[in-house]
Amino acid sequence: DAGITQSPRHKVTETGTPVTLRCHQTENHRYMYWYRQDPGHGLRLIHYSYGVKDTDKGEVSDGYSVSRSKTEDFLLTLESATSSQTSVYFCAIRISGGAGDTQYFGPGTRLTVL
Amino acid sequence: RKEVEQDPGPFNVPEGATVAFNCTYSNSASQSFFWYRQDCRKEPKLLMSVYSSGNEDGRFTAQLNRASQYISLLIRDSKLSDSATYLCVVNPRAQSGSARQLTFGSGTQLTVLP
Repeated sequence: DAGITQSPRHKVTETGTPVTLRCHQTENHRYMYWYRQDPGHGLRLIHYSYGVKDTDKGEVSDGYSVSRSKTEDFLLTLESATSSQTSVYFCAIRISGGAGDTQYFGPGTRLTVL
Repeated sequence: RKEVEQDPGPFNVPEGATVAFNCTYSNSASQSFFWYRQDCRKEPKLLMSVYSSGNEDGRFTAQLNRASQYISLLIRDSKLSDSATYLCVVNPRAQSGSARQLTFGSGTQLTVLP
């Protein structure tokens, strides 16, 4: 258990509404990531952060923004949700180990955009 | 071509069987390799790292073939509890300014039948 929580765990919203997902970690890890997981696509990186106020885009960043004002919290915002953003969203933190850097994931948020 | 490719399965095997999954990766400069396990509606969890010389963890054996750019996972004496999706994960060589992101395969689904 890497001390990662996500909230909310489930959310149903309507097209055009803003949505913010929260990832919280308790172990002071520098790197944090947001992924989405869809059938047939696997895990795809949306945005990542390498420190407070330091963020960068991943491969599927369009329509998403992030913020990290504290080490422990990484927020993902859908400014105007669309049905194509219906997905399962996972947050992860990076841990360095003998075999290389690995990532540990939060429990996920299931988002449905109607 | 996807950076990491896996046979999606599903693999349906009887309890006690031996099953093997393969995964190929396109970036020859990739540095480290992992297998993750994901249970239905749960987050991915690290199963094991893959070392150049091959490594074993109980009933699980991981192999790396750098020349052919593939990774394998062998599960012996399959248990019902091994039913899950297995994700092949590659950590490419870090480039300047990158966050050493992991690249995930789409996963291979395994069902162990009684």
